[in-house]
Amino acid sequence: SAVISQKPSRDICQRGTSLTIQCQVDSQVTMMFWYRQQPGQSLTLIATANQGSEATYESGFVIDKFPISRPNLTFSTLTVSNMSPEDSSIYLCSVELWTGNVVNTEAFFGQGTRLTVV
Amino acid sequence: RKEVEQDPGPFNVPEGATVAFNCTYSNSASQSFFWYRQDCRKEPKLLMSVYSSGNEDGRFTAQLNRASQYISLLIRDSKLSDSATYLCAVNRRNYGQNFVFGPGTRLSVLP
Repeated sequence: SAVISQKPSRDICQRGTSLTIQCQVDSQVTMMFWYRQQPGQSLTLIATANQGSEATYESGFVIDKFPISRPNLTFSTLTVSNMSPEDSSIYLCSVELWTGNVVNTEAFFGQGTRLTVV
Repeated sequence: RKEVEQDPGPFNVPEGATVAFNCTYSNSASQSFFWYRQDCRKEPKLLMSVYSSGNEDGRFTAQLNRASQYISLLIRDSKLSDSATYLCAVNRRNYGQNFVFGPGTRLSVLP
């Protein structure tokens, strides 16, 4: 497994502002992802954070709203820009690790950032 | 239709009961399958991978049926500490998106 440190763990922000969430992993990982989990919902993939290139966004998510950085293989940031109350959610960083089986990987998650926009 | 579907529950069972969850997936090219457990206000944690031959870990048994495109999780001798939301996850490695999670099934084990 991997130790994934995510911060802040929670924040309350004013609408119109931006928040940057950091994710630090204790080992080099190829794949890092950012998910959103809205209250009572399951996880929705926002984007894949690619090291050295632009992130790959899923349908419904755009770079202007959720800019992502991935400067190296152990660190990534997600910014939630120009926030509105609809952005209130838990944001989770995830890494994918090979588990020995050549085709099997597993996803591990940071502790999450609970964001409330007022 | 969602790519990964689960009965949201809640499943309310007494301690010691056996409970089973199913999860169906629509993408026949899905490569690997998992069960995650998520406690309230916590991140999901991997419970077990699901192998083609089925696998068991203590009181937990996972099965995969590729022909019918579903995976199952059986919990025997339920404990109060098993109360959580159980998410199934499918890894579509050959496509741009990797893990797709189901909506989760809530389990409450009652004393």
